[in-house]
Amino acid sequence: EVQLLESGGGLVQPGGSLSLSCAASGFTFSSYAMSWVRQAPGKGLEWVSAIINSGGSTYYADSVKGRFTVSRDNSKSTLYLQMNSLRAEDTAVYYCVTSRGSYYVYWGQGTLVTVSS
Amino acid sequence: DIQMTQSPSSVSASVGDRVTITCRASQGISGWLAWYQQKPGKAPKLLIYAASSLQSGVPSRFSGSGSGTDFTLTISSLQPEDFATYYCQQANSFPRTFGQGTKLEIK
Repeated sequence: EVQLLESGGGLVQPGGSLSLSCAASGFTFSSYAMSWVRQAPGKGLEWVSAIINSGGSTYYADSVKGRFTVSRDNSKSTLYLQMNSLRAEDTAVYYCVTSRGSYYVYWGQGTLVTVSS
Repeated sequence: DIQMTQSPSSVSASVGDRVTITCRASQGISGWLAWYQQKPGKAPKLLIYAASSLQSGVPSRFSGSGSGTDFTLTISSLQPEDFATYYCQQANSFPRTFGQGTKLEIK
């Protein structure tokens, strides 16, 4: 059974940093691209970032480019999202997602990030 | 970036009704489109991929069609568990983008 377990969410002040992790199990982590998708309270889905299976290529939404960094450790089957210079508009539930042929089949339960003073 | 526009933003319908949701891309995406269903407090669930392919385990009352810039999701006979929010998403290029969502409510 595929499982994606996010952690690291919490309350952070504007301008602060936070690091999210996603522990994957039930599939060969190193074979698949991974992504982060977020959802602000009461709002729609927003794609944040993606990383290919090897980690050699990464992609970002314009809204987070230069502030967020996605990475992975295939030996630990873990995906990361380093978030710097956080803003109020980054407040959201962050989902870890794994792709199958470019489509998001498996989702974690999400972790809430709140940016507020 | 490719913009995805869904219509309507919300729709009220009754059990047994046929419902169609549309999604328009700001530029051609061939068939690189997915549809997701999300219920309150839950992660989204993939329903349709490659515009018209039904994800394993999804009831056959869900269907998708379209290519290029115009796409539709159809629910042939609404069931109580179908009342949720639906999103389209393009997988043609980065950055990936979602539609704004369509909330399907009980009439």
